[in-house]
Amino acid sequence: QKEVEQDPGPLSVPEGAIVSLNCTYSNSAFQYFMWYRQYSRKGPELLMYTYSSGNKEDGRFTAQVDKSSKYISLFIRDSQPSDSATYLCAMSETSGSARQLTFGSGTQLTVLP
Amino acid sequence: EPEVTQTPSHQVTQMGQEVILRCVPISNHLYFYWYRQILGQKVEFLVSFYNNEISEKSEIFDDQFSVERPDGSNFTLKIRSTKLEDSAMYFCASSEVLGGSSYNSPLHFGNGTRLTVT
Repeated sequence: QKEVEQDPGPLSVPEGAIVSLNCTYSNSAFQYFMWYRQYSRKGPELLMYTYSSGNKEDGRFTAQVDKSSKYISLFIRDSQPSDSATYLCAMSETSGSARQLTFGSGTQLTVLP
Repeated sequence: EPEVTQTPSHQVTQMGQEVILRCVPISNHLYFYWYRQILGQKVEFLVSFYNNEISEKSEIFDDQFSVERPDGSNFTLKIRSTKLEDSAMYFCASSEVLGGSSYNSPLHFGNGTRLTVT
C-alpha cells in the first residue's frame, strides 16, 4: 500500500463549482498536513497548512483532516479558471531531526470558464 | 512576499558531467531542502540541511550528490557524475524555525531547475 494516495484526475469543473480534492494515507505518525498548488513548470506553492484533525478555512479554501480515517480533503468554493493547476497533498511526521514531506501524486484540476 | 529563487531555470548536460544547481533561500530561514520531481512522478525528498550540515537524506541522495552552503545566502546541490535518470525538476525549499522546531514551520519552494541529461 502506498504511503499517500491521491486521485490523479484529471478533474474538470465549470467555473463557480465546489471542488473536493482528497488524499488518504497509511502512516498514523503523520501529524502535519499541507496542500500545495503547482502550476505548470513552477514550484509547489503552499495553500493550506494544518496540524492534527479538524478544519481550517482561508478564503475560498477549506482544509479538513480526519486522522481517525487517515483522510484529508481540500475544498475550493466558487472555483475560478485561475484555480486550474495540480494540487498536491503533503504530510510529515513529528519524529526526526528535520522535516521530510511525503507528497501525493497530485490531482490535475481544470476550471472551465 | 519573500521567495526562494533558483538558478538556472533549465540546465542541459551530458551524461557523466558535473552540475551545480543553485538556490537562494528566504533570508530568515534556517532549514534548507532539496526535492526532485521526475516527469509524471511524485515530488520526492532528497536532503535537508541545517546549521551547515545534512540533517536527513533519502536513499536517492547517494554519493554522487552533495550539498553546500558556500556563503550566507546560497545553497547548492552538486551532482558529480550525472546519469540519464537524474533528469528531473529539482526544487529547493526553505523553512524558518519557530519555537526551536522546524515542525511548526511549513516549507516554501522555489520554481525549480529543470535538469536534462543527454
